[in-house]
Amino acid sequence: GAGVSQTPSNKVTEKGKYVELRCDPISGHTALYWYRQSLGQGPEFLIYFQGTGAADDSGLPNDRFFAVRPEGSVSTLKIQRTERGDSAVYLCASSLMGGVSTEAFFGQGTRLTVV
Amino acid sequence: GENVEQHPSTLSVQEGDSAVIKCTYSDSASNYFPWYKQELGKGPQLIIDIRSNVGEKKDQRIAVTLNKTAKHFSLHITETQPEDSAVYFCAATPSGSARQLTFGSGTQLTVLP
Repeated sequence: GAGVSQTPSNKVTEKGKYVELRCDPISGHTALYWYRQSLGQGPEFLIYFQGTGAADDSGLPNDRFFAVRPEGSVSTLKIQRTERGDSAVYLCASSLMGGVSTEAFFGQGTRLTVV
Repeated sequence: GENVEQHPSTLSVQEGDSAVIKCTYSDSASNYFPWYKQELGKGPQLIIDIRSNVGEKKDQRIAVTLNKTAKHFSLHITETQPEDSAVYFCAATPSGSARQLTFGSGTQLTVLP
């Protein structure tokens, strides 16, 4: 399968802990997006990478959230001092380019539960 | 910021009938309107999209219409099949791409055999 891969598929953590969520985009895709989906809602934009740089991080809710993409491929979303309100499915998507007319492909998501 | 409202939240149709889902948006700068299908335990999958310079687009049994003046767009599925059952999301963005998409709250479509 050459789709977007996210690991782990499920993560349970205690309140206050640090977590890392990984996204492997489709090979060759330069654009990468993170979204967060709460139960019964549509996804919410978090951050967009074009290559290695975060071109738009306007959706990150606060400074506990941080994401990196050091080599322009795999990305890691990092959440510090997790809170119960962080519980959601975290979705990653990638597209060939970040511009117009490029379809974004979503992974299956990581379900994060903070207890 | 952008606000997207989607109706209905649930929709049941008989197999072979048509289904229509409607969305409104608030930001007149929005120029890209994709529709996604999400099956249980999976990520959203793009099924059709439309840009602000086009009023209607069709792909086999699926069509989308856009009314920029009224700021609303709709998804039409004809000859529905049981495998069309899923949650459908509309979205809008001023970026022209998948960046900064604002999603609607979703429509659970059930096609009854």
